[in-house]
Amino acid sequence: AQKITQTQPGMFVQEKEAVTLDCTYDTSDPSYGLFWYKQPSSGEMIFLIYQGSYDQQNATEGRYSLNFQKARKSANLVISASQLGDSAMYFCAMREARDDKIIFGKGTRLHILP
Amino acid sequence: DSGVTQTPKHLITATGQRVTLRCSPRSGDLSVYWYQQSLDQGLQFLIQYYNGEERAKGNILERFSAQQFPDLHSELNLSSLELGDSALYFCASSVAGPGNSPLHFGNGTRLTVT
Repeated sequence: AQKITQTQPGMFVQEKEAVTLDCTYDTSDPSYGLFWYKQPSSGEMIFLIYQGSYDQQNATEGRYSLNFQKARKSANLVISASQLGDSAMYFCAMREARDDKIIFGKGTRLHILP
Repeated sequence: DSGVTQTPKHLITATGQRVTLRCSPRSGDLSVYWYQQSLDQGLQFLIQYYNGEERAKGNILERFSAQQFPDLHSELNLSSLELGDSALYFCASSVAGPGNSPLHFGNGTRLTVT
């Protein structure tokens, strides 16, 4: 069963607008972590933000924030004031406490338009 | 620079051959993960080592094997290569096993099987 679902294969957004990238997950483990990574066209994987299942507040890192809705098993990435350099592939990932595997979703390709 | 070093960057070889991909984790990181990313696909988890021992296994083919050495560097061996093995292979490292430590990725080895 797929554990991480990213339903938006691609998105086009105007520069300076806010962007929300969707991610839903499935786990029975009460302890888990959620990650977002960015993969520009150059290919490297860049860690953006982390949210733990027991964290009371939504994680934020600069222009990135994670909209964590635990009951809905949703961990959407919000990018504020998008920039041309935000154009990339974005992956949501999850690690369950009961094992060390970090499983990735299929990704969302984000295009920022000037 | 993530601090994770992967060599070689590119590898072109023929079907039926065997190759070895090498990864040096960030200084201080004990866990090494291997992922396969085929064209326009997400990251498929292959295997994880922690301090020299196999910790978790994903969808790794029997033709593939890996190990982590006492100095913590890791090698991924791919044998009897097929055209479908052409992909970007990532190594990632993290400080420890379970927890909120993110993965830090190398720049990948792009394998082309002809």
